[in-house]
Order: sequence, then structure tokens, then C-alpha cells
Amino acid sequence: LAKTTQPISMDSYEGQEVNITCSHNNIATNDYITWYQQFPSQGPRFIIQGYKTKVTNEVASLFIPADRKSSTLSLPRVSLSDTAVYYCLVGDIAGNQFYFGTGTSLTVIP
Amino acid sequence: DVKVTQSSRYLVKRTGEKVFLECVQDMDHENMFWYRQDPGLGLRLIYFSYDVKMKEKGDIPEGYSVSREKKERFSLILESASTNQTSMYLCASSTGPKGYYEQYFGPGTRLTVT
Repeated sequence: LAKTTQPISMDSYEGQEVNITCSHNNIATNDYITWYQQFPSQGPRFIIQGYKTKVTNEVASLFIPADRKSSTLSLPRVSLSDTAVYYCLVGDIAGNQFYFGTGTSLTVIP
Repeated sequence: DVKVTQSSRYLVKRTGEKVFLECVQDMDHENMFWYRQDPGLGLRLIYFSYDVKMKEKGDIPEGYSVSREKKERFSLILESASTNQTSMYLCASSTGPKGYYEQYFGPGTRLTVT
């Protein structure tokens, strides 16, 4: 089971780029890396997924180094509305187990 | 727009009561999940179901059971509620049973057992 480790919390000022790193040393060959965002009083929602190198969408970018033992979620120019908990999840299409982890609580400061 | 609904946002029950948490999805997903979320522990999987009447244990199934009689509905049952089951419970559904597939979450039920 590929467990993940993330910082418990981070603070950032509005307008800055925020990078949240997730460690997954036991990642398996077929595992993908997925990030979820959870606002207060809501369930998590999917934001981005990748296997290697870099993935970008309208919300975020995901950087995955060649060894895939870690990944970095990058949020460009954060605003107050990006204050949330961000979860890194590792899992594959065939495996039976996946692990959400404890998440990183991001607070954006005006 | 995809939707996962949970029967209650807040619930207060007494120790020893039997508690039912209901979850309904309208996306025709085969896979449904129940998690609990506690401060400092993140999301932990209790049970999941990959088809009607099928279920599998997650990481923390003790003290819980589930029921899936219809594709759209997945119920979490606390046979005899205890104070250590006070938590936020989140239901999710997905097109696939594994971590690779996007999961759609409901808003959660905050259960307090007194």
C-alpha cells in the first residue's frame, strides 16, 4: 500500500504561487497520483491527476519527478478562495487499496 | 451535474442506538464508498461497494456494516453507536473501484454520539 506524507499545514499570501509536496516512497509502477481539494463543510473534489512529468489544467499543475517518489501540486497566484485542505492520493486501476492521507491545510492570507 | 447526496448534514444519537447513514448518487456509478474524517487522521475508508449487494472492507470496518440493495443507494450502519464513532462521514461514488478513478463526494454527515 503506497502511503503518502504531506505537510500538515501551509500559509501563503494572496497572489503567490503555492507548491504542496507529497511524498510517496512506495509508489508502484502502475500507480497514478491524484490530488483532491476540500473546502470547509464540503466533500473533497478532484482537481488533477498524473503519472509522470507534468500535467496542467485550468486549476493547477502537477509535477512528478522521474523517480515518482514525490509529487508537487502547484497553485498559481492563489486567492482567498483557495483556502482548503489538499489531499494527495496514490492508486492504480487494478489495485484494491488506496490511501488518502491526512492532507495539507492551506490558508491564504490577504 | 453529478450529485451525491447524504440523508443528513448533522445527526445526534445516543450510545447504543442503531444508526443509519444514507447515501444516494444519480450518476449510475457502480462503485460507492464510505469514509470517516477526523482531525489529524484525514480520510479513512470504512467500506466500499463495487456492485449491488457486493461490499468490501476498507481500512477501518470495525463497528460498521453496509448495505447496497440498489445501485444508487449505499447505506452505512452503526449497529450500536459508541462515542468513538463521533465523526464526519463522507460518501462517494466513482466509475471505478480503485484509487485511479475520480471519486465524487457528498457534503458529509457530522455524527455526534453522546
